Parts: sequence; C-alpha cells; structure tokens
Amino acid sequence: DVKVTQSSRYLVKRTGEKVFLECVQDMDHENMFWYRQDPGLGLRLIYFSYDVKMKEKGDIPEGYSVSREKKERFSLILESASTNQTSMYLCASSGLGTGNTDTQYFGPGTRLTVL
Amino acid sequence: GNSVTQMEGPVTLSEEAFLTINCTYTATGYPSLFWYVQYPGEGLQLLLKATKADDKGSNKGFEATYRKETTSFHLEKGSVQVSDSAVYFCALSPGNTGKLIFGQGTTLQVKP
Repeated sequence: DVKVTQSSRYLVKRTGEKVFLECVQDMDHENMFWYRQDPGLGLRLIYFSYDVKMKEKGDIPEGYSVSREKKERFSLILESASTNQTSMYLCASSGLGTGNTDTQYFGPGTRLTVL
Repeated sequence: GNSVTQMEGPVTLSEEAFLTINCTYTATGYPSLFWYVQYPGEGLQLLLKATKADDKGSNKGFEATYRKETTSFHLEKGSVQVSDSAVYFCALSPGNTGKLIFGQGTTLQVKP
C-alpha cells in the first residue's frame, strides 16, 4: 500500500525558531513536493525535488528551504519561523512516469502554528 | 499562465441529491486534469483524472469530462451520500513537469 508519512500531525513553535518538517515515502518515487494549504487559496507549491540532492523552487519559496539527502526523505525547513507561516503543510510524492499522467500521493499533513 | 478556478463553496446538499462542482482552467498546451478529495483530518487522495480532450474520468460514482472547447472539467455525482462530505480540489498538470496546479477547493457538506 502506498504510504507517505509526515513527522508530526500538529506542531507549535515560537517566532524565530528553526523548524524541520520531515516527509518519508516508501514507494521509491523520484519526485517529492512540499505544499502549504490555506483556506481560500488551495494548495501552493513551496519546493519540489526530482532526485536526490536536487531541488527547485515552487511558487512561494521565500522563507523556506529543503533538503533531499536520501530518495525516500524530503525535509522542509523554516529558517526563522514567522506567524505568517502558520498553515497546513502537505508533502506529496510521485513516480517517474510517462508524460504528465503521474499521480501525486499525499501525506496526512502537518498543522503548524507559529506563536 | 496556468490556473484553475473552482466554484466557491461551501456546497450544502441533502443525501441523494445531484452534485455538480464547476472547474475551469487556463493552460498552454495540453494539460492533464485531476480531481482530488480531502476528507476531514486527512491528506489529499486522487479521485479521478483525464489526460486528453473528451476523456471521462470516473471513480466511486463521481465523473468528470475533459472539455477542451469550454476549458472545463466539472465534477458530477448522481446521488451524494453523507460520506461524500469533504473538500474537493480540481488540478491540472501543465505538461511533462510532474507539477500540479490546484484550484482553491470546494467544501461539500451532505446532510442526512
């Protein structure tokens, strides 16, 4: 069974803290993604990775960085958390397929609150 | 650029009612189109998809047809159940990038 797991379901941090969100997939997928989900805005892509040690900026990368040291793991880092980063964070992965038909598989999400 | 627009919610229906959630898109080239569903407290899961014009995707009684002439991919179900209550996202994949662009989501609430 397909599985994407995220390290925490709920997280509370203080302004200025460094925050690590971890995502692990067990499907040997090449592609991994980090989104944030906010009411009325849908999902917005923060960063993605097509391979180990590769990363590309999505639509809203400011204030975030990522790390992909192993194929199965993709970490999202908030260098200095701010209150406007309070959100739901979703990780997804997809396999290398033909054309644009790859399905993305999502983790359960991490609800981050920055105080 | 590429974008997806969904009808605003929430949509509230009685059990066994007919459901339509509108989705229109703007894209260059020939995108694939998707509907994802998010049940309360869970991540997103793929509901159905279509990869070319006039394709119909279907799953769990839901269906949507890829209409290139109207740039639409409306989600329909003939008879909704309480268990269909969720947030529904329309999305497109704009070519061989693997990336998805999502609409803002539509909340569906089905009452017994």
